[in-house]
Amino acid sequence: GQQVMQIPQYQHVQEGEDFTTYCNSSTTLSNIQWYKQRPGGHPVFLIQLVKSGEVKKQKRLTFQFGEAKKNSSLHITATQTTDVGTYFCAGPSYNTDKLIFGTGTRLQVFP
Amino acid sequence: KAGVTQTPRYLIKTRGQQVTLSCSPISGHRSVSWYQQTPGQGLQFLFEYFSETQRNKGNFPGRFSGRQFSNSRSEMNVSTLELGDSALYLCASSLQFGGSTDTQYFGPGTRLTVL
Repeated sequence: GQQVMQIPQYQHVQEGEDFTTYCNSSTTLSNIQWYKQRPGGHPVFLIQLVKSGEVKKQKRLTFQFGEAKKNSSLHITATQTTDVGTYFCAGPSYNTDKLIFGTGTRLQVFP
Repeated sequence: KAGVTQTPRYLIKTRGQQVTLSCSPISGHRSVSWYQQTPGQGLQFLFEYFSETQRNKGNFPGRFSGRQFSNSRSEMNVSTLELGDSALYLCASSLQFGGSTDTQYFGPGTRLTVL
């Protein structure tokens, strides 16, 4: 079945270092969404990308949607302790309208 | 505007029992989706309701069921609980059809522990 995988599964960085998580789908996606879940919290919507090759920025966060619309990435520049959490990508199922969440990347930032 | 609310926040049940979880979406949102989150399986889609109709269903056994009321509030029920049902159950609401294009607004979740 359709799968949305993310790598790495875990990432520990020193505060100030950069961080990137990659999202790969087994099928072409019409769009990709990114969510952040803080420890003990619930997923919170960050952004949606729709166009092939699209790049969007939110302060220190840069999101990219691949040209083939099968992969995406989230890059955080100069991480801060407030960036701690698990980052999920999510894309639509190829044959239904439901959202398939990626496996998530857990980010830990050491001060 | 108030966010998505879920009750109860924590629940402890024993195997074989049944449980009902409740979700109130953001005012004006008509779509409600349910997800199960576990450390091993991640975020798994359970089902989605829109205008009191189930639009999509995930790959869960029939012990998992849900419904949506005319005011968009939703409930999910799990019968004959198993140890593996221990998880965080998240409800998410969206404005229209939800699914693949609409932003999902998640509630705080119900932490279910099955003993």
